[in-house]
Amino acid sequence: DAGVIQSPRHEVTEMGQEVTLRCKPISGHDYLFWYRQTMMRGLELLIYFNNNVPIDDSGMPEDRFSAKMPNASFSTLKIQPSEPRDSAVYFCASSLSGAPDLTQYFGPGTRLTVL
Amino acid sequence: RKEVEQDPGPFNVPEGATVAFNCTYSNSASQSFFWYRQDCRKEPKLLMSVYSSGNEDGRFTAQLNRASQYISLLIRDSKLSDSATYLCVVNLRSEAAGNKLTFGGGTRVLVKP
Repeated sequence: DAGVIQSPRHEVTEMGQEVTLRCKPISGHDYLFWYRQTMMRGLELLIYFNNNVPIDDSGMPEDRFSAKMPNASFSTLKIQPSEPRDSAVYFCASSLSGAPDLTQYFGPGTRLTVL
Repeated sequence: RKEVEQDPGPFNVPEGATVAFNCTYSNSASQSFFWYRQDCRKEPKLLMSVYSSGNEDGRFTAQLNRASQYISLLIRDSKLSDSATYLCVVNLRSEAAGNKLTFGGGTRVLVKP
């Protein structure tokens, strides 16, 4: 398996622009998580899905952030409009319910810079 | 108060030495515990689970103290390749929580020759 795939790997944009991050989870996994990581705040859970349904979006910072999972093999995280404080590494992770270690497999991340 | 707290470090460790560090968690209902490792500019990866009786994986030993609500990680005979950030992770093991994991801020370890 190719693991969790994220695109793009790097994104540089200007304040006010729309940014869309993409994630393909490991095939067969039924949980998908979006995280944001910064030096100041560490790894923060933004939202997670189970069987394509959003379960907990309490970590989404504000209405500028939205996430969708239209099917089991694809999810997007959208920021509109983007702001410099959104600059961070965004990770997508997936896991399988019932797995003994609840292991989350992370993608390589998208490094977002908002100028 | 954060749900999972760790000393951010860095812990500067001579190669071959032993290093140990803890993490505390606030929710006494937490049921599952893990250590993840994150290399610089890479994604986090599971290092090991932490069992109630304590467990070893090679040079790594993890311990759980439910009464005091902390877990620990000990690294023996440190290698240069052990330099990384170690993330403490907990799960409630409840139906509501599902597979949701709560991550600590990480402890940075630097092993030097």
